Amino acid sequence: KAGVTQTPRYLIKTRGQQVTLSCSPISGHRSVSWYQQTPGQGLQFLFEYFSETQRNKGNFPGRFSGRQFSNSRSEMNVSTLELGDSALYLCASSLTGNNEQFFGPGTRLTVL
Amino acid sequence: KQEVTQIPAALSVPEGENLVLNCSFTDSAIYNLQWFRQDPGKGLTSLLLIQSSQREQTSGRLNASLDKSSGRSTLYIAASQPGDSATYLCAVILPSNDYKLSFGAGTTVTVRA
Repeated sequence: KAGVTQTPRYLIKTRGQQVTLSCSPISGHRSVSWYQQTPGQGLQFLFEYFSETQRNKGNFPGRFSGRQFSNSRSEMNVSTLELGDSALYLCASSLTGNNEQFFGPGTRLTVL
Repeated sequence: KQEVTQIPAALSVPEGENLVLNCSFTDSAIYNLQWFRQDPGKGLTSLLLIQSSQREQTSGRLNASLDKSSGRSTLYIAASQPGDSATYLCAVILPSNDYKLSFGAGTTVTVRA
């Protein structure tokens, strides 16, 4: 069974731009969560989707948004990028949300 | 707010020694606890999941215990190898904050050959 895939793996953007990251969960998994990882803050929860509905949201500004499609694939968007948005963005999938979580390889975003 | 703490932040041991990694959490009403491994610049690899009703889980050289009453979990890695060098993270899910993993800062392990 294929694991969680994330695209692209690396991104370099400049301040003020916007970016869209994609996550494909394990087949059969309907819950997708997003996390931001930085050396200073560690792993922080962004949001979680299940059946195209956002069920939980972390403490991030409105510039961070996401969505989930009917095939459970998910995208997250960051608008008006800031230098502090440079991070490893990880997505995780699970069957229903409270089960074992499986993470993808991450997207490394660098904002210049 | 759930606080998850992992001590020590870093650990260096000679090959063959058993590893003991600690995780503590403030809210004992957890739904489950999961241990992960992360190699530098990579994603997280799930090692073990312990449901709230369980006391321990085992997989190969790995054994994780859970004591909800004291808010602690311990990950044991037997007969460590250089390939075990990585950062180990524990995370919990609370019934009151569904679907969100609260992570500790991790323990970075170096196994010396």
